[in-house]
This record gives sequence, C-alpha cells and structure tokens, in this order.
Amino acid sequence: IAGITQAPTSQILAAGRRMTLRCTQDMRHNAMYWYRQDLGLGLRLIHYSNTAGTTGKGEVPDGYSVSRANTDDFPLTLASAVPSQTSVYFCASSDSVGGSNEQFFGPGTRLTVL
Amino acid sequence: GQNIDQPTEMTATEGAIVQINCTYQTSGFNGLFWYQQHAGEAPTFLSYNVLDGLEEKGRFSSFLSRSKGYSYLLLKELQMKDSASYLCAVRGGDYKLSFGAGTTVTVRA
Repeated sequence: IAGITQAPTSQILAAGRRMTLRCTQDMRHNAMYWYRQDLGLGLRLIHYSNTAGTTGKGEVPDGYSVSRANTDDFPLTLASAVPSQTSVYFCASSDSVGGSNEQFFGPGTRLTVL
Repeated sequence: GQNIDQPTEMTATEGAIVQINCTYQTSGFNGLFWYQQHAGEAPTFLSYNVLDGLEEKGRFSSFLSRSKGYSYLLLKELQMKDSASYLCAVRGGDYKLSFGAGTTVTVRA
C-alpha cells in the first residue's frame, strides 16, 4: 500500500441498504476526512477525525457515521442509503490539521443509490 | 458558514497563461490551498498560501490577499495536460477545509 486506498471503487446500492466505504492510509497521518463530491457543489466535508479515537461532524453529516479505532483506518457507514447519497466519496488524510500540511486524497468511491 | 467563489469554466491556448480567481468569505482564516483534479481522479495538492503575496512553484504561482479575501492561481506555459479542474479551498478558523465548486480549464492546441 502506498498513500490512501479506498474500497470499493464503485458500487450500486438499493435504497435502504447499509453500506460501509473503507479507507486505509499508510502514511501514519493523524487526521483523516471524508468528503462527497457532487457536480456544481464541490467537495463537502462529511466527517473528520483529528486523531485516532476521536471523530467530528462536518458540513453534511446526516445519514453517515464514522469510527477511528486506529491510525490507519477510517470507515464511513451509510446506515440506510437514500438516493440523495448518490455521489463520489473521497477519503483524505493529513499529518496534522494546521500549518502547511496538505490533505492527500484517495482515488474515490463512486456510489449510486437506486 | 463559508462562501468560496471561482469561475466555472475557462479556456486557453497551449503555451498561454491563465489566471483563475477565487474570492472567499470565511469565519476565520488559517490558509488557502489550490488543488488540481483531472476528470475521474482524486484532487492533488498544488499550492498553499497563508501570508499575503505570491508563491511560485515552477509553471504555477498562487497569490493571496487576506484583506480582500482574494486569491488567484496562475498557470503559465499551458500544456494539454493542464486541462483539469482547479479547486480553491480555504481553511477556516475551525481548521476545516471548505472548497469552491472548482474551475474547469480546457487547453486547446
């Protein structure tokens, strides 16, 4: 593994189903983030974690949950998917939340909820 | 809340210069980032500004004026591979990034 990986690459899901998007990084970064990207709206923060064991809500957290049991993994769960959650989901990480530390992004998961 | 504005699309000729403007209104300010995103791919970091002035990195430069809530990304000697979306992102007082919708740059031969 080099950088950030996400799984699955794409998924078609029936409304009402539960789904977990996986994200793993091998850079030992403290902070991790989940964004969704929709046409014309840009990237919007769903949830974040400044360090292992802590999580926080972003701009659009409703319908999503996260956990951060260790440094490397930051899964995003949709408890009961709805069509409005159709989007491209990007996981990102950074060494810390301040300074010039840029966020590194995973390749994304394209999710379609029918 | 955060408000970040950038043009939707720009077109330029190979070898030319293009300037992408970004204006922002945020609660607090802890830096401004520019990312490049090719279609179907992840965003990749281009530049970071936290103090007023110009930061130059090869063919790319980024400028910041905090008092005006304004930044621009300057792309010089445009190449076909520069065709992509360019995202302006501001880190607010809460240290979270807020992104603009992105500017799609098309480079024509």
